[in-house]
Amino acid sequence: TQLLEQSPQFLSIQEGENLTVYCNSSSVFSSLQWYRQEPGEGPVLLVTVVTGGEVKKLKRLTFQFGDARKDSSLHITAAQPGDTGLYLCAGVRQGNTPLVFGKGTRLSVIA
Amino acid sequence: DTGVSQDPRHKITKRGQNVTFRCDPISEHNRLYWYRQTLGQGPEFLTYFQNEAQLEKSRLLSDRFSAERPKGSFSTLEIQRTEQGDSAMYLCASSFSQNYGYTFGSGTRLTVV
Repeated sequence: TQLLEQSPQFLSIQEGENLTVYCNSSSVFSSLQWYRQEPGEGPVLLVTVVTGGEVKKLKRLTFQFGDARKDSSLHITAAQPGDTGLYLCAGVRQGNTPLVFGKGTRLSVIA
Repeated sequence: DTGVSQDPRHKITKRGQNVTFRCDPISEHNRLYWYRQTLGQGPEFLTYFQNEAQLEKSRLLSDRFSAERPKGSFSTLEIQRTEQGDSAMYLCASSFSQNYGYTFGSGTRLTVV
């Protein structure tokens, strides 16, 4: 059983469209992080959210942490081909436990 | 500081051979992590160090795997008697703490033939 479930698994959209990807769990996390990974490279940190209900914006990307700290979402406005990649959510369950990752959402933005 | 460095980037080895990977973390980070990633999956935790102490090992880390971080600086991950199932991307990351986010290296792609 995957601790963090990401949906959808795959998403292919046209340039300029909006999209939302989700990260859900039945467990509570002290923080959730979003990463983007390109083929053949390591994941790159986009954002960390630590407070239930927190919303963070990074240019066209909006991240939300659920009130109960069990889920998170990533919304991209006006997607561009440069947004193409694997979006991974990862959580810290408690204390100093290492990050647990979801399987990711593979996004393809077509020009 | 140029980030987290991993060497080699790619390794092809015959089944049964031993391989060793190296990771140089960001110098100010005291935590260092090893993850493994296979196609279509997110990274899976293998082990982590705080300074030179290895604090946690995953059940994924069989007896054929060993990791070290002498003097709390670079780390090595050795796989003995490699098997085809060991083929994966091995990722190293470092951080100040879990909640500050990890900085990953570019990974070592291992192919066992």
